[in-house]
Amino acid sequence: GAVVSQHPSRVICKSGTSVKIECRSLDFQATTMFWYRQFPKQSLMLMATSNEGSKATYEQGVEKDKFLINHASLTLSTLTVTSAHPEDSSFYICSASRDGVTYEQYFGPGTRLTVT
Amino acid sequence: ELKVEQNPLFLSMQEGKNYTIYCNYSTTSDRLYWYRQDPGKSLESLFVLLSNGAVKQEGRLMASLDTKARLSTLHITAAVHDLSATYFCAFQYGNKLVFGAGTILRVKS
Repeated sequence: GAVVSQHPSRVICKSGTSVKIECRSLDFQATTMFWYRQFPKQSLMLMATSNEGSKATYEQGVEKDKFLINHASLTLSTLTVTSAHPEDSSFYICSASRDGVTYEQYFGPGTRLTVT
Repeated sequence: ELKVEQNPLFLSMQEGKNYTIYCNYSTTSDRLYWYRQDPGKSLESLFVLLSNGAVKQEGRLMASLDTKARLSTLHITAAVHDLSATYFCAFQYGNKLVFGAGTILRVKS
């Protein structure tokens, strides 16, 4: 158990457009979901934490208006990159926790975003 | 400051040799994780270490935790090419994970 999916796995978009990435917990209800971005040969950087029905909590330096996070249900969170630019090209990974005690995170397969 | 120091950052190993990756973390934590990442892929969970002195083994990998020293190690025994990947440690702080920079492991035949 504890499977997390992401869609799409790869997306290419033009500069100035918006793109939405979905993160779903397939076999459990996620109390909390997390969004990370990862540049080549670097570690994961936490962007934001979201709980169902609440506003996301963004990490320092992450633009809330650019990276819109919606956690509409206990199994779905979405990340929308608005007015994307080439510097937003990255690997975006979501994770989900199924309990509010250990907060053990289960990672999705990632989404490769390329902005041209 | 919440920080994880992983070393080495790059490790080139001969097949059949042993080596250890070190992970020092900055503050008390209940849980220490090790992950593997293959190129272009997401994280694969390897170990969760919960208590001082915990040791876990899976195949050629063995992880241990010393909470007093705030140190975890990932020991590789008789490396094989299939172990080539990037390995991350991370500690739990509240509901978040604090990651190390990762160790790129290359196993050469």
